[in-house]
Amino acid sequence: QVTLRESGPALVKSTQTLTLTCTFSGFSLSTSGMCVSWVRQPPGKALEWLALIDWDDDKSYSPSLKTRLTISKDTSKNQVVLTMTNMDPADTATYYCARTIAAAGMGPFDIWGQGTMVTVSS
Amino acid sequence: QLVLTQSPSASASPGASVKLTCTLSSGHSSYAIAWHQQQPEKGPRFLMKVNSDGSHRKGDGIPDRFSGSGSGAERYLTISSLQSEDEADYYCQTWGTGIVLFGGGTKLTVL
Repeated sequence: QVTLRESGPALVKSTQTLTLTCTFSGFSLSTSGMCVSWVRQPPGKALEWLALIDWDDDKSYSPSLKTRLTISKDTSKNQVVLTMTNMDPADTATYYCARTIAAAGMGPFDIWGQGTMVTVSS
Repeated sequence: QLVLTQSPSASASPGASVKLTCTLSSGHSSYAIAWHQQQPEKGPRFLMKVNSDGSHRKGDGIPDRFSGSGSGAERYLTISSLQSEDEADYYCQTWGTGIVLFGGGTKLTVL
């Protein structure tokens, strides 16, 4: 069974750096085709993709947030970490991680974590 | 520029069918998309992938009431025999080289 679980602080202050961890099981990020992404959703708003890392350690970022994001993986711990710098109240959202199996190119998110809510205070 | 467009809302009665639409921007009609369901206060759940030829592959455990299709730049999600638990937000997702996008979502109300 494939599962993903997000963890991190529930509250951060403006200008601080947010660090979130996605811990997964049921697959290995060293297996060809495996990818993990981060997605966020502000209260009452739509989903927004943030970043992706694949089995080959290739990384992709949302163009609008690229300068603030860093994604990394620890294959031995089955974890993917996202850092977002210079946090702002507008970054208040539920943050999700999700898996993709890339076959002949990228693919859909087929398994999602339950999400973790992050509030940014001013 | 790759963009996905969804109607903000839809409604239908229990037992009826509803067809939700996700439209790919001009020049991107060959892209596959995925449909995700988000019930109130829950995280998203993968429903299916819909290819440019209209074929689809559903996620594990997705009921037969859910089906996908496509025509040109439009991709559809059809839900038949609507039930109260189908009331949710539905998002389409697509992807390209180094990019992933979501549509704005459609809020489905089961009246």
